[in-house]
Amino acid sequence: GQQVMQIPQYQHVQEGEDFTTYCNSSTTLSNIQWYKQRPGGHPVFLIQLVKSGEVKKQKRLTFQFGEAKKNSSLHITATQTTDVGTYFCAHSGANDYKLSFGAGTTVTVRA
Amino acid sequence: DGGITQSPKYLFRKEGQNVTLSCEQNLNHDAMYWYRQDPGQGLRLIYYSQIVNDFQKGDIAEGYSVSREKKESFPLTVTSAQKNPTAFYLCASSMSFGGENTEAFFGQGTRLTVV
Repeated sequence: GQQVMQIPQYQHVQEGEDFTTYCNSSTTLSNIQWYKQRPGGHPVFLIQLVKSGEVKKQKRLTFQFGEAKKNSSLHITATQTTDVGTYFCAHSGANDYKLSFGAGTTVTVRA
Repeated sequence: DGGITQSPKYLFRKEGQNVTLSCEQNLNHDAMYWYRQDPGQGLRLIYYSQIVNDFQKGDIAEGYSVSREKKESFPLTVTSAQKNPTAFYLCASSMSFGGENTEAFFGQGTRLTVV
């Protein structure tokens, strides 16, 4: 099945700095979803992108879906300690319910 | 409250025993999923179900079995054939696929330790 690769695997960020995590696929995706899992918790849905070139913002988080619908990015500005956790991208099939996740980017923040 | 309930939160079993993890949802979602998460790793799909009495293997189904006799319930059995069963197991559900409303809602997870 389709696989998505997330880079980097780990991101160590100074508080106040920006960072970006990427999700890449070799094939066209019908949609991209992003989830956040806090340490010791369960994944929580953040957003879904379905249109080519789509950009959505949630406060300091900016999500983008590539023009070819093969990649996506999550950009966080002015990182805070509350941003600590693992960010996963995921996608579901165009014609079925299979929901597959990337390996995630684990973010730590230096105060 | 609407949501997904997994029980128990922690589970200990002896090697060689089968164990069943419970997952119940009252969101009226069609699809349900089981994922396995190992320390520092992502979510790997074990099984998923799109409708009652039907389910499909995910990427790591060997050593696991499921049933979907009711829309609300999707129990996972970890059999003695699973070579490395110790992990964090997450159940999820979603309403639809492909377009809108495909977001998955997760339970709190069951941490299984086999000794």
